[in-house]
Amino acid sequence: NAGVMQNPRHLVRRRGQEARLRCSPMKGHSHVYWYRQLPEEGLKFMVYLQKENIIDESGMPKERFSAEFPKEGPSILRIQQVVRGDSAAYFCASSPSSRADTEAFFGQGTRLTVV
Amino acid sequence: AQTVTQSQPEMSVQEAETVTLSCTYDTSESDYYLFWYKQPPSRQMILVIRQEAYKQQNATENRFSVNFQKAAKSFSLKISDSQLGDAAMYFCAYGSGGATNKLIFGTGTLLAVQP
Repeated sequence: NAGVMQNPRHLVRRRGQEARLRCSPMKGHSHVYWYRQLPEEGLKFMVYLQKENIIDESGMPKERFSAEFPKEGPSILRIQQVVRGDSAAYFCASSPSSRADTEAFFGQGTRLTVV
Repeated sequence: AQTVTQSQPEMSVQEAETVTLSCTYDTSESDYYLFWYKQPPSRQMILVIRQEAYKQQNATENRFSVNFQKAAKSFSLKISDSQLGDAAMYFCAYGSGGATNKLIFGTGTLLAVQP
């Protein structure tokens, strides 16, 4: 059973470009969480999705950021018109249920660098 | 809102010795979970140990144990017989007991293990 797969591992974008980050959850997991880790900081929750639904996007910036988790395929975190401040590591976690008593498994993250 | 505080940005321990990492949290909820995650240089987030708030007994996983003081809202991690492979960033995290696996992370403690 493969773990949570994130790609790419590293992504470089120029200011103003779009960044697309992908997350394939573990087999059997229908709950996906995205977190952002700025340099020298802990992970900050961005959005929680269940298949085809956004459940909680309270941590996501209102502009330029969007997320989806389609019925088929990976979850996508999309950042439009990237700025230098978007440079960070973006982590995805998946779990088989929504409750905190089930372990969420993390991917290795995508490090986004905006130049 | 819930918060997690790790007041030790860096710690150091000699190989085979014991070290304790501190974490305090704030919440008004009665049903919650607490976690310690390890993040080595590979950036992979690895669950070290988990504690359910309703359990009085402190969780233990091999060389890792916690001191959970619910009234004081304190959740420290003790690593016994430290090994070189324990060197990593350690994050304390809080999860609500409700219908979400969203986690709130502290800022982390960087642990160095001296041979």
